[in-house]
Amino acid sequence: QQQVKQSPQSLIVQKGGISIINCAYENTAFDYFPWYQQFPGKGPALLIAIRPDVSEKKEGRFTISFNKSAKQFSLHIMDSQPGDSATYFCAAGSRETSGSRLTFGEGTQLTVNP
Amino acid sequence: KAGVTQTPRYLIKTRGQQVTLSCSPISGHRSVSWYQQTPGQGLQFLFEYFSETQRNKGNFPGRFSGRQFSNSRSEMNVSTLELGDSALYLCASSLVAGGVGYTFGSGTRLTVV
Repeated sequence: QQQVKQSPQSLIVQKGGISIINCAYENTAFDYFPWYQQFPGKGPALLIAIRPDVSEKKEGRFTISFNKSAKQFSLHIMDSQPGDSATYFCAAGSRETSGSRLTFGEGTQLTVNP
Repeated sequence: KAGVTQTPRYLIKTRGQQVTLSCSPISGHRSVSWYQQTPGQGLQFLFEYFSETQRNKGNFPGRFSGRQFSNSRSEMNVSTLELGDSALYLCASSLVAGGVGYTFGSGTRLTVV
C-alpha cells in the first residue's frame, strides 16, 4: 500500500513539445505529492509539489495535475527544452502520520531532442 | 546559503569492511533523512533523524545505522559491507520531519569490491 507507480520509464520528446509523466498511489493517507528532477551526478532537486486539496498547480512551465478520486497525479512540462533532459521522480508522503517518509516512484528518464 | 553537504563524494571499499558517511544539513534544518539509490531499486528510504532522535527507519538490515548530532549533522554507518551495498547514498534535510520540502545533497557514491 506504500507503493507509488510511475510511468513511462523513459520518454523522448521534441523541443517545444509537452512532456507528461504519470504516477499512481494506493495509500489514501498520502497528502503531499512532490516531483523531483535529477541530473547525472547530482541529488534530486525539488521541482514542484501539490497537496490533495487542489487539482492543479502551475509553476512556470511545470504543472502538476491531481486526481484524488483516481489516486493519480501527473507532471506536465510545457515547451520542453533540451535542458529539461533529466530523470524525474514523483513521490508521496503524509504530513500527519507519525514516522512518515517520502515514497518515490521508479523514475522517468526524459530526453528532449533539439 | 549553503546546500546539503555530503562527504566523501566517492568511496571504494572491500567486502566485509565498514564505512561511515557524513551529511551536513542546510543551516536551521533539524530533519535529516537518508536514502539509498540504485538502478534496480530506485530511491529507498533508510532512516530519518529529527533533533538527534531516530524518527523513522526503513526496511534495511541492522548493518545500516545512523545518528544525528546536536548541530544536526548526521552520519550513517554500514558494517560488514556486501557487494549489494554499492549505491548512491543520498542525504536530505528539511525544516520539518516527514519529508516535506526535502533538499538533497549530491550523494556519496559507494562501490564495494
